[in-house]
Amino acid sequence: GENVEQHPSTLSVQEGDSAVIKCTYSDSASNYFPWYKQELGKRPQLIIDIRSNVGEKKDQRIAVTLNKTAKHFSLHITETQPEDSAVYFCAAAGGGADGLTFGKGTHLIIQP
Amino acid sequence: DSGVTQTPKHLITATGQRVTLRCSPRSGDLSVYWYQQSLDQGLQFLIQYYNGEERAKGNILERFSAQQFPDLHSELNLSSLELGDSALYFCASSVLSEDAGELFFGEGSRLTVL
Repeated sequence: GENVEQHPSTLSVQEGDSAVIKCTYSDSASNYFPWYKQELGKRPQLIIDIRSNVGEKKDQRIAVTLNKTAKHFSLHITETQPEDSAVYFCAAAGGGADGLTFGKGTHLIIQP
Repeated sequence: DSGVTQTPKHLITATGQRVTLRCSPRSGDLSVYWYQQSLDQGLQFLIQYYNGEERAKGNILERFSAQQFPDLHSELNLSSLELGDSALYFCASSVLSEDAGELFFGEGSRLTVL
């Protein structure tokens, strides 16, 4: 089945700086890669996703890049703000009957 | 509000007991997913149903079972509970059968096994 590795587990950045979270996946047949944000005590919510026919996607301060050859994808957050503090999960799907496989999450801390 | 309803929100029980978690998907969504979230294991996929049929299976223990009813609500049954089953159980729904679309998560059911 699919295996998704996510790094780092904790990331602390100064407000206004950029944050990058990286994920690798194992199943070359996976073709859908979403990112979810989970604030403390809340449910995960989709913030951006990318499909395998696209190398990069951007939505305001958030961007995701995908390298299918290397089987890795990354989340980039620019001009970080206090409300960006949360746990971020990457995921991969589409390679088989395994559902959506999530990474273990990155706790992003924005320092004022 | 995601439109996905989970009950109960909190549940405390003893080892060896059995509990049932309930999920009502968003109106119009045919797929229901169950995930287990523990502190150090992230979101572990348990099982997916699409329009009443099991579609995908993850790391679901044999002590756990689930089903989706004709009205599309779903139940996750956890039996012979162990301390390690304490976790937050999320239900999510989507309109698609394939995993290529947004999942809408409920607020979760927090299970504590004492």
